[in-house]
Amino acid sequence: QVLLVESGGGVVQPGTSLRLSCVASGFTFRSHALHWVRQAPGKGLEWVAVISYDEKYKSYADSVKGRFTISRDSSKNTLHLQMNRLRVDDTAVYSCVRDRGGCSGDCYGDFDLWGQGTLVTVSS
Amino acid sequence: DVVMTQSPLSLPVTLGQPASISCRSSQSLVFTDGNTYLNWFQQRPGQSPRPLIYKVSNRDFGVPDRFSGSGSGTDFTLKISRVEAEDVGVYYCMQGAHWPPTFGQGTRLEIK
Repeated sequence: QVLLVESGGGVVQPGTSLRLSCVASGFTFRSHALHWVRQAPGKGLEWVAVISYDEKYKSYADSVKGRFTISRDSSKNTLHLQMNRLRVDDTAVYSCVRDRGGCSGDCYGDFDLWGQGTLVTVSS
Repeated sequence: DVVMTQSPLSLPVTLGQPASISCRSSQSLVFTDGNTYLNWFQQRPGQSPRPLIYKVSNRDFGVPDRFSGSGSGTDFTLKISRVEAEDVGVYYCMQGAHWPPTFGQGTRLEIK
C-alpha cells in the first residue's frame, strides 16, 4: 500500500522546537521529491518546503526560511522537518506530500500523494 | 508569487446536476519543459487533500470520469458532470510551474 504517515506533532510554546517525521511505504522513496504543506485551522493550503530526490535541492517558503530545515533519510524512507523558533502563526496541520517528479534540474510542483497530516499547535 | 484566484468560493449544487469551478493564475503556467503544471485537489471534511487532476486535464488514479479539467495559459476549469453526495468538500487548484507552488483559496461545494 502506498502511504505517507506523519508523526511528531504536538502542543509547544512559542520559541521552542519540534521535529516532524514522515515515513513512506509502497513506492521507490529515492525517485521522488518530497514536500511539506501546512493548513492552519479553518484555512487554506500553504506550501512550506521541498527536498529533491537526491537531496541536492531544498527550498523554503519565506515564512519559514531560516527557522525550518527539511531533510530526508533514504535508508529509512523517512522525511523530516526540523522546526525551530516556532511562532503562534505556525499552528497548522503539517502534511507530507509526494511529488510526481524528482525535482532534478528545473523543479516544478506536481503533487500526487498526501499523508494524513500531524497537528502542530504553538501556544503559550 | 503567482496568485491563484478561484471562483466561486461557495458552490451549492443539486444532486445529479453539473458543477464548474474556475481558477485563474496571475502568470502563465507553462513550464520550461512545455507542460502546464496546474493541479486540482478535493478535500472532504476531516480528510487530507486528494489529488484529482494533474497537468490541467489528466485524472489521478481512481478518480471518476465525471471529473474533468480543462484550460490553458492562465485560465482553468474543473467540471463535475453530475454531482454526487460524496463530492461535498473544498476544491483547490494549485500551480507548480513557478516557485513557490501556490494554491487557490478553495471552493466549498455543498448540496442544495
